[in-house]
Amino acid sequence: KQEVTQIPAALSVPEGENLVLNCSFTDSAIYNLQWFRQDPGKGLTSLLLIQSSQREQTSGRLNASLDKSSGRSTLYIAASQPGDSATYLCAVEDTNAGKSTFGDGTTLTVKP
Amino acid sequence: ETGVTQTPRHLVMGMTNKKSLKCEQHLGHNAMYWYKQSAKKPLELMFVYSLEERVENNSVPSRFSPECPNSSHLFLHLHTLQPEDSALYLCASSQGRDQPQHFGDGTRLSIL
Repeated sequence: KQEVTQIPAALSVPEGENLVLNCSFTDSAIYNLQWFRQDPGKGLTSLLLIQSSQREQTSGRLNASLDKSSGRSTLYIAASQPGDSATYLCAVEDTNAGKSTFGDGTTLTVKP
Repeated sequence: ETGVTQTPRHLVMGMTNKKSLKCEQHLGHNAMYWYKQSAKKPLELMFVYSLEERVENNSVPSRFSPECPNSSHLFLHLHTLQPEDSALYLCASSQGRDQPQHFGDGTRLSIL
């Protein structure tokens, strides 16, 4: 059974800092890995999707890496802003269609 | 405008009531999903529909009954729910497994 762990559970940084969020998974037979953000009372917004054959994806100030062999992914946020404050979720889709496992999330607070 | 609209946003019901949650997507996607998000638990995938056919049911109790009449609409019919079913129910859609999922803002369900 796939298990996804996100560390840390919460993170508070001053504006402008670069930061890294971590995601680890137990079964490396994955189809893809996706990072989402969730604002309070809202649904999820997809940030980056990495296919199993890829090593990283970039979008603006965000960079996500994937190391299947070690069962890890990181989300790097450069020059953080208060608007980045949200809960960040990592989700792994297994090679079986439709089986997605989510982590508990990291709640990020960026202070002005 | 998220492209995925869920109604109602909030629902309070007794354990003997029957109600339905509605999800509508205007993105031309061919896959739709129901998720359950409970407090202090990871997001759980409940149902997956691809091309209007159910392809995944993650052992969800029969008191939850999904319906996908066409590629744009997804329903979750509820009956005889339990207090532990109180949660945020999120709908998502995607254009196949290789594409990111787009989420609605969810229905906050409270069972009395």
